[in-house]
Amino acid sequence: AQKITQTQPGMFVQEKEAVTLDCTYDTSDQSYGLFWYKQPSSGEMIFLIYQGSYDEQNATEGRYSLNFQKARKSANLVISASQLGDSAMYFCAMSDPPPSKIIFGSGTRLSIRP
Amino acid sequence: SAVISQKPSRDICQRGTSLTIQCQVDSQVTMMFWYRQQPGQSLTLIATANQGSEATYESGFVIDKFPISRPNLTFSTLTVSNMSPEDSSIYLCSGGTSGGITDTQYFGPGTRLTVL
Repeated sequence: AQKITQTQPGMFVQEKEAVTLDCTYDTSDQSYGLFWYKQPSSGEMIFLIYQGSYDEQNATEGRYSLNFQKARKSANLVISASQLGDSAMYFCAMSDPPPSKIIFGSGTRLSIRP
Repeated sequence: SAVISQKPSRDICQRGTSLTIQCQVDSQVTMMFWYRQQPGQSLTLIATANQGSEATYESGFVIDKFPISRPNLTFSTLTVSNMSPEDSSIYLCSGGTSGGITDTQYFGPGTRLTVL
């Protein structure tokens, strides 16, 4: 069965610094998708970035990039030039086929210091 | 991205009562799901809402406690029945467009439920 592991329950980062949130996964499937979501204190889940298992290049979306290392089964999220508004819970997730159910890791609470 | 709305956004309910949460998605969405997020926890899938038929429930969730309807492609409801304080959670509706591996799920704003 698929499993997502986030080993950092909480992180503190100085504003404008880059931050890496760790995520490892376990699956026996060859085809899968990896996602990162942000959840601010309001509770909504905001989609950030997606990486397909067959994508050779790391996904990027603005200040977000996904450091995908398939052999190590890791999918770390990198946020460049962090901002105060980045303070939130971050969840790594994986598609569980079919029909595209998503399983979530335990989350990392990121706090940005001014 | 898909646009998903939910209501109510929050509610406080008494033990033993039931609450129905509504989810409306835009026309891009074909797959709909309901998740529960207990305080301080991650998201857990309750069920896949199937259009015009019974929902597909995950292990640990049953239809009598969480009846789900999806009368058409863009609308679904989740009822939390005979509530207890342990049902206090955020309930989130999500939607995807293709049902495949590459399908990105977008979430509604969630319903924050407190049961007294």
